[in-house]
Amino acid sequence: AQSVTQPDIHITVSEGASLELRCNYSYGATPYLFWYVQSPGQGLQLLLKYFSGDTLVQGIKGFEAEFKRSQSSFNLRKPSVHWSDAAEYFCAVEPGGYNKLIFGAGTRLAVHP
Amino acid sequence: DAGVIQSPRHEVTEMGQEVTLRCKPISGHDYLFWYRQTMMRGLELLIYFNNNVPIDDSGMPEDRFSAKMPNASFSTLKIQPSEPRDSAVYFCASSSGTGQNQPQHFGDGTRLSIL
Repeated sequence: AQSVTQPDIHITVSEGASLELRCNYSYGATPYLFWYVQSPGQGLQLLLKYFSGDTLVQGIKGFEAEFKRSQSSFNLRKPSVHWSDAAEYFCAVEPGGYNKLIFGAGTRLAVHP
Repeated sequence: DAGVIQSPRHEVTEMGQEVTLRCKPISGHDYLFWYRQTMMRGLELLIYFNNNVPIDDSGMPEDRFSAKMPNASFSTLKIQPSEPRDSAVYFCASSSGTGQNQPQHFGDGTRLSIL
């Protein structure tokens, strides 16, 4: 069965520091891959997506993610974190375009001033 | 452009009562999804529609849950009778199709508390 693992439940970084959130998926082929962000009391906002092609994907708010087929990973990165980035981040896969998103458990990011 | 609109934002009701959650998808989107978010189980897909027709309801937890989409601009998720374990945040999302460049857009959710 398809699954998504986000190993880190909570991460705390200082403002201005770099960030990497990990995501691993289990699927036989290359799925569609997504990162969403959820601020408190809000819905999920799409940060970026990968379907094919260039394995380094740029998203909104200065985020990027790199797809590594050999590691079944799709890690999210940001070179310099801002206090407003504090939120929960979800990695998701859509196996083979079946339109069924499978979400990871999420990583809650705290940013220290 | 208006995003996905859900109502109510918050609902508190007593066990055994009927609960109806509402969703208006983005205009022109032909896929609509209902998700449930809990601490224990995370985000789960309950059901999704294509062109107002339910395609996959395998995530609906039990017969107490039902969803309808009478037209392209409105969907409901109903729980009858409600139970405390149904307390969760319920999200509606819509998209304009499958395949590339068709991500799902989420509403702000309905926070449901069953006492």
